[in-house]
Amino acid sequence: KAGVTQTPRYLIKTRGQQVTLSCSPISGHRSVSWYQQTPGQGLQFLFEYFSETQRNKGNFPGRFSGRQFSNSRSEMNVSTLELGDSALYLCASSPGTGQGYTFGSGTRLTVV
Amino acid sequence: DQQVKQNSPSLSVQEGRISILNCDYTNSMFDYFLWYKKYPAEGPTFLISISSIKDKNEDGRFTVFLNKSAKHLSLHIVPSQPGDSAVYFCAASTNAGGTSYGKLTFGQGTILTVHP
Repeated sequence: KAGVTQTPRYLIKTRGQQVTLSCSPISGHRSVSWYQQTPGQGLQFLFEYFSETQRNKGNFPGRFSGRQFSNSRSEMNVSTLELGDSALYLCASSPGTGQGYTFGSGTRLTVV
Repeated sequence: DQQVKQNSPSLSVQEGRISILNCDYTNSMFDYFLWYKKYPAEGPTFLISISSIKDKNEDGRFTVFLNKSAKHLSLHIVPSQPGDSAVYFCAASTNAGGTSYGKLTFGQGTILTVHP
Protein backbone atom coordinates (compact mmCIF):
# COMPACT_ATOMS: atom_id res chain seq x y z
CA LYS A 1 0.00 0.00 0.00
CA ALA A 2 1.55 3.31 -1.06
CA GLY A 3 2.10 5.88 1.66
CA VAL A 4 1.57 9.62 1.60
CA THR A 5 3.55 11.15 -1.26
CA GLN A 6 4.73 14.73 -1.19
CA THR A 7 6.35 16.52 -4.10
CA PRO A 8 8.78 18.04 -4.54
CA ARG A 9 11.08 16.90 -1.71
CA TYR A 10 13.21 20.02 -1.85
CA LEU A 11 12.56 23.50 -3.15
CA ILE A 12 14.49 26.76 -3.18
CA LYS A 13 12.58 29.96 -3.86
CA THR A 14 13.31 33.67 -3.74
CA ARG A 15 11.55 36.14 -1.43
CA GLY A 16 8.39 37.47 -3.01
CA GLN A 17 7.79 34.43 -5.18
CA GLN A 18 4.97 31.95 -4.70
CA VAL A 19 5.15 28.20 -4.33
CA THR A 20 2.80 25.24 -4.68
CA LEU A 21 3.35 21.97 -2.83
CA SER A 22 1.56 18.74 -3.62
CA CYS A 23 0.33 15.85 -1.48
CA SER A 24 -1.13 12.54 -2.59
CA PRO A 25 -2.82 10.77 0.32
CA ILE A 26 -3.09 7.06 0.98
CA SER A 27 -5.69 5.49 -1.27
CA GLY A 28 -9.11 5.71 0.38
CA HIS A 29 -8.13 8.49 2.78
CA ARG A 30 -10.40 11.50 2.49
CA SER A 31 -8.76 13.84 4.98
CA VAL A 32 -5.54 15.71 4.26
CA SER A 33 -3.87 17.98 6.81
CA TRP A 34 -0.86 20.25 6.37
CA TYR A 35 1.74 21.16 8.98
CA GLN A 36 4.75 23.45 9.09
CA GLN A 37 7.82 22.40 11.05
CA THR A 38 10.44 24.96 12.02
CA PRO A 39 13.18 24.75 14.67
CA GLY A 40 11.65 27.61 16.65
CA GLN A 41 7.94 26.84 16.47
CA GLY A 42 7.91 23.05 16.14
CA LEU A 43 5.08 21.36 14.27
CA GLN A 44 2.20 23.72 13.62
CA PHE A 45 -1.14 22.95 12.01
CA LEU A 46 -1.90 24.84 8.83
CA PHE A 47 -5.23 23.46 7.60
CA GLU A 48 -7.21 20.31 6.96
CA TYR A 49 -9.34 19.32 3.99
CA PHE A 50 -12.01 16.67 3.93
CA SER A 51 -13.95 15.83 0.79
CA GLU A 52 -12.71 18.99 -0.97
CA THR A 53 -13.82 21.27 1.90
CA GLN A 54 -11.57 23.06 4.35
CA ARG A 55 -12.62 21.69 7.72
CA ASN A 56 -10.06 23.33 10.02
CA LYS A 57 -7.60 26.17 9.77
CA GLY A 58 -4.60 27.11 11.91
CA ASN A 59 -3.27 30.54 12.79
CA PHE A 60 -1.40 31.37 9.63
CA PRO A 61 -1.71 34.46 7.43
CA GLY A 62 -3.84 34.45 4.31
CA ARG A 63 -0.71 33.97 2.18
CA PHE A 64 -1.05 30.29 3.05
CA SER A 65 -3.86 28.56 1.20
CA GLY A 66 -4.78 25.11 0.09
CA ARG A 67 -7.26 23.04 -1.79
CA GLN A 68 -8.28 19.44 -2.24
CA PHE A 69 -9.35 17.77 -5.45
CA SER A 70 -12.04 15.17 -6.00
CA ASN A 71 -9.41 12.38 -5.92
CA SER A 72 -8.37 13.63 -2.43
CA ARG A 73 -5.02 14.93 -3.65
CA SER A 74 -4.20 18.26 -2.05
CA GLU A 75 -2.08 21.27 -2.82
CA MET A 76 -0.95 24.09 -0.61
CA ASN A 77 0.15 27.45 -1.91
CA VAL A 78 2.24 30.14 -0.27
CA SER A 79 2.27 33.52 -1.95
CA THR A 80 4.71 36.41 -1.48
CA LEU A 81 7.27 34.19 0.22
CA GLU A 82 9.17 35.49 3.23
CA LEU A 83 12.45 34.23 4.68
CA GLY A 84 10.51 32.96 7.71
CA ASP A 85 8.53 30.59 5.50
CA SER A 86 11.59 28.38 5.20
CA ALA A 87 10.48 25.13 6.82
CA LEU A 88 9.65 21.48 6.38
CA TYR A 89 6.04 21.25 5.17
CA LEU A 90 4.36 18.01 6.09
CA CYS A 91 1.17 16.51 4.82
CA ALA A 92 -0.83 13.88 6.70
CA SER A 93 -3.74 11.82 5.51
CA SER A 94 -6.39 9.89 7.39
CA PRO A 95 -9.64 8.12 6.60
CA GLY A 96 -11.33 11.12 8.15
CA THR A 97 -12.76 9.29 11.14
CA GLY A 98 -10.45 10.90 13.64
CA GLN A 99 -7.69 8.33 13.77
CA GLY A 100 -4.83 6.96 11.75
CA TYR A 101 -2.91 10.03 10.68
CA THR A 102 -0.07 9.03 8.35
CA PHE A 103 2.53 11.61 7.43
CA GLY A 104 4.50 12.03 4.24
CA SER A 105 8.24 12.72 4.20
CA GLY A 106 7.66 16.42 3.67
CA THR A 107 8.82 19.15 1.35
CA ARG A 108 11.82 21.17 2.52
CA LEU A 109 11.27 24.75 1.39
CA THR A 110 14.13 27.22 1.55
CA VAL A 111 13.43 30.89 0.86
CA VAL A 112 16.47 32.99 -0.03
CA ASP B 1 0.21 29.68 24.42
CA GLN B 2 1.66 26.19 24.25
CA GLN B 3 -1.23 23.80 24.86
CA VAL B 4 0.93 20.67 24.67
CA LYS B 5 4.29 20.65 26.41
CA GLN B 6 7.16 18.24 26.50
CA ASN B 7 9.39 19.69 29.17
CA SER B 8 12.37 17.41 28.61
CA PRO B 9 14.23 18.34 25.42
CA SER B 10 16.29 15.17 25.63
CA LEU B 11 16.53 11.79 27.35
CA SER B 12 19.38 9.32 27.39
CA VAL B 13 18.92 5.67 28.44
CA GLN B 14 20.85 2.42 28.28
CA GLU B 15 19.80 -0.35 25.94
CA GLY B 16 17.41 -2.77 27.64
CA ARG B 17 16.21 -0.22 30.19
CA ILE B 18 12.90 1.61 30.27
CA SER B 19 12.45 4.95 28.48
CA ILE B 20 9.75 7.23 29.88
CA LEU B 21 8.75 10.27 27.85
CA ASN B 22 6.38 12.78 29.37
CA CYS B 23 3.84 15.21 28.00
CA ASP B 24 1.53 17.74 29.68
CA TYR B 25 -1.46 19.53 28.20
CA THR B 26 -3.58 22.46 29.25
CA ASN B 27 -6.67 22.22 27.04
CA SER B 28 -9.28 20.10 28.83
CA MET B 29 -11.15 19.70 25.52
CA PHE B 30 -8.44 17.39 24.17
CA ASP B 31 -9.83 13.87 24.00
CA TYR B 32 -7.44 11.98 21.75
CA PHE B 33 -3.70 11.71 22.19
CA LEU B 34 -0.98 10.31 19.97
CA TRP B 35 2.75 9.68 20.05
CA TYR B 36 4.91 10.00 16.95
CA LYS B 37 8.55 9.17 16.30
CA LYS B 38 10.54 11.27 13.86
CA TYR B 39 13.90 11.02 12.15
CA PRO B 40 15.53 14.08 10.54
CA ALA B 41 14.24 14.94 7.05
CA GLU B 42 11.39 12.43 7.39
CA GLY B 43 7.77 12.75 8.37
CA PRO B 44 6.59 11.64 11.83
CA THR B 45 5.75 7.95 12.17
CA PHE B 46 2.71 7.03 14.25
CA LEU B 47 3.51 4.92 17.32
CA ILE B 48 0.50 4.66 19.57
CA SER B 49 -2.61 6.56 20.56
CA ILE B 50 -5.08 6.74 23.42
CA SER B 51 -8.60 8.03 23.76
CA SER B 52 -9.60 10.01 26.82
CA ILE B 53 -12.00 7.25 27.86
CA LYS B 54 -8.99 5.04 28.63
CA ASP B 55 -6.05 5.45 30.97
CA LYS B 56 -3.70 2.96 29.36
CA ASN B 57 -2.99 1.54 25.92
CA GLU B 58 -0.37 -1.03 25.06
CA ASP B 59 1.22 -2.07 21.78
CA GLY B 60 4.21 -4.34 22.01
CA ARG B 61 7.08 -2.50 23.68
CA PHE B 62 5.12 0.76 23.77
CA THR B 63 2.61 1.73 26.47
CA VAL B 64 0.89 5.08 26.80
CA PHE B 65 -0.59 6.20 30.12
CA LEU B 66 -3.11 9.01 30.45
CA ASN B 67 -3.85 10.85 33.68
CA LYS B 68 -6.74 13.18 32.85
CA SER B 69 -6.93 14.82 36.25
CA ALA B 70 -3.28 15.83 35.99
CA LYS B 71 -3.55 16.51 32.24
CA HIS B 72 -0.49 14.34 31.78
CA LEU B 73 0.45 11.48 29.50
CA SER B 74 3.55 9.39 29.24
CA LEU B 75 5.05 6.94 26.79
CA HIS B 76 6.93 3.93 28.16
CA ILE B 77 9.27 1.97 25.92
CA VAL B 78 10.38 -1.36 27.37
CA PRO B 79 12.98 -2.59 26.63
CA SER B 80 14.65 0.32 24.89
CA GLN B 81 16.69 -0.43 21.77
CA PRO B 82 19.28 1.67 19.92
CA GLY B 83 16.90 1.82 16.94
CA ASP B 84 14.46 3.73 19.15
CA SER B 85 16.80 6.73 19.08
CA ALA B 86 14.78 9.54 17.46
CA VAL B 87 12.70 12.59 18.31
CA TYR B 88 9.39 11.74 19.98
CA PHE B 89 6.40 14.04 19.70
CA CYS B 90 3.19 13.86 21.63
CA ALA B 91 0.10 15.31 19.96
CA ALA B 92 -3.46 15.99 20.99
CA SER B 93 -6.76 16.70 19.30
CA THR B 94 -10.36 17.41 20.17
CA ASN B 95 -13.53 16.24 18.56
CA ALA B 96 -15.49 19.27 19.67
CA GLY B 97 -18.25 19.74 17.13
CA GLY B 98 -17.40 16.43 15.52
CA THR B 99 -15.08 17.86 12.89
CA SER B 100 -11.94 18.80 14.73
CA TYR B 101 -9.97 15.59 14.56
CA GLY B 102 -7.95 16.81 11.63
CA LYS B 103 -6.09 19.30 13.78
CA LEU B 104 -3.28 17.91 15.87
CA THR B 105 -1.51 20.10 18.42
CA PHE B 106 2.06 18.93 18.90
CA GLY B 107 4.53 19.24 21.73
CA GLN B 108 8.05 20.46 21.02
CA GLY B 109 9.52 16.97 21.00
CA THR B 110 11.99 14.99 23.12
CA ILE B 111 15.21 13.63 21.65
CA LEU B 112 15.65 10.05 22.86
CA THR B 113 19.10 8.48 22.68
CA VAL B 114 19.45 4.80 23.52
CA HIS B 115 23.05 3.75 24.15
CA PRO B 116 24.18 0.19 23.34
